[in-house]
Amino acid sequence: DSGVTQTPKHLITATGQRVTLRCSPRSGDLSVYWYQQSLDQGLQFLIQYYNGEERAKGNILERFSAQQFPDLHSELNLSSLELGDSALYFCASSERDRGTSPLHFGNGTRLTVT
Amino acid sequence: AQSVTQPDIHITVSEGASLELRCNYSYGATPYLFWYVQSPGQGLQLLLKYFSGDTLVQGIKGFEAEFKRSQSSFNLRKPSVHWSDAAEYFCAVIYMDSNYQLIWGAGTKLIIKP
Repeated sequence: DSGVTQTPKHLITATGQRVTLRCSPRSGDLSVYWYQQSLDQGLQFLIQYYNGEERAKGNILERFSAQQFPDLHSELNLSSLELGDSALYFCASSERDRGTSPLHFGNGTRLTVT
Repeated sequence: AQSVTQPDIHITVSEGASLELRCNYSYGATPYLFWYVQSPGQGLQLLLKYFSGDTLVQGIKGFEAEFKRSQSSFNLRKPSVHWSDAAEYFCAVIYMDSNYQLIWGAGTKLIIKP
């Protein structure tokens, strides 16, 4: 058990809809990362927060947004969903803001857009 | 461009046989190097990392990796694989000038033959 909790585990929704994915980091970790994993794109880094502040941005679409709250949990919001957004979304947490600190991954949220 | 290459998409080995998964990085200066494993239905877990020092590093689950500067490689090895090693393995790299963000390889899926 990595200590990172992601909810929900599965999500099925229709195109054009909006969803929110939630992540609770491992106790003591200040950094939260969001990743998208799909068969055709592999593992794609979306965004990182550290202690409530955005730290780094990757291949995140404008339709997607995230935030990290004062209690350090994080939410990833996906809007105007398209079929191509179907993927596994992972949250990872680490102690520090640098990637040299080991990342602890949750088990992911599988999003299916129909 | 900074990149990480895992040349093998799939590798099949027999249970009890030795394993070597390849990883090559593209940049000149020695980066920070990592191997993560993703078991079916789960998030990624850190196997081992190399920052400096002894070029042969030991990790969890009986894995080791060797950094070879001359070949820009960081190959993962295990002397004898078990059926439970069936998973996807990701090599990841942090380049010094990349704001300490991880750059991920495409992954190698390991299949174990009984």
